[in-house]
Amino acid sequence: QKEVEQNSGPLSVPEGAIASLNCTYSDRGSQSFFWYRQYSGKSPELIMSIYSNGDKEDGRFTAQLNKASQYVSLLIRDSQPSDSATYLCAVNIMEYGNKLVFGAGTILRVKS
Amino acid sequence: ETGVTQSPTHLIKTRGQQVTLRCSSQSGHNTVSWYQQALGQGPQFIFQYYREEENGRGNFPPRFSGLQFPNYSSELNVNALELDDSALYLCASSFRRRGSGDEQFFGPGTRLTVL
Repeated sequence: QKEVEQNSGPLSVPEGAIASLNCTYSDRGSQSFFWYRQYSGKSPELIMSIYSNGDKEDGRFTAQLNKASQYVSLLIRDSQPSDSATYLCAVNIMEYGNKLVFGAGTILRVKS
Repeated sequence: ETGVTQSPTHLIKTRGQQVTLRCSSQSGHNTVSWYQQALGQGPQFIFQYYREEENGRGNFPPRFSGLQFPNYSSELNVNALELDDSALYLCASSFRRRGSGDEQFFGPGTRLTVL
C-alpha cells in the first residue's frame, strides 16, 4: 500500500467552479499535512498546511483534514485557468527525520 | 527575505560520472531536505540535514551523499551516476521546531540528465 495516494486525474472543471482534490494516507501517526501546487517544469509551491481535524481556509483555498479516516482534501473555489497545475499532497513523517512523503499528484485543468 | 536558491539549473552528465548540486536555504531557516522527482511522480525524500548532520534518510544508496555548512547551505553529491538518476533534484528549506511538522519551501530545482 502506498503511503500517500491521490487520484492522478486529470480533473477537469469549468472556470468559476469548485475543484475538489483528495488524498489518503497510511501512517496513523502523521500529524502534519501539506498541499503543494506544481506548474509544469517548475518546482512545488506550498499553498496550504493543516495540522488539526477540520477545515482551514486561506483565500479561495480550503484544506480539510479527517485523521480518523486518514483523509485530507483541498477545495479551490472560483477556479481560474491559472489554477491549472499538478497538486501534490504531502504528509510529514516525524519518525524519519521530519521527511515529507508525497503523493503522485492530481492534474487539475480549469477550462475557460 | 531571500528564497531558496539552487545551482546549477540544468546539468548533463554521462553514466559513471560524479555530480555536485548546491542549495542555499531561505534566510532564517536551519534545515535542508533533498528530494528527487522523476517525471510524472511526486518528490521522493533523499535525506535531511540539520545542524550540519544528516537527520533522516530515504531509500537511496550510499552513493547519494550530502553536506550542510555552518551558513545552512547544502550540497548533494551523487557518485557513479546511473541513467535512472536522471530527474529533477529539489532542495527544500525549513525552520525546525520541536513537536511540529515543519513547512518546507522548495528551490527551483536542478534538472539532471544522465546519458
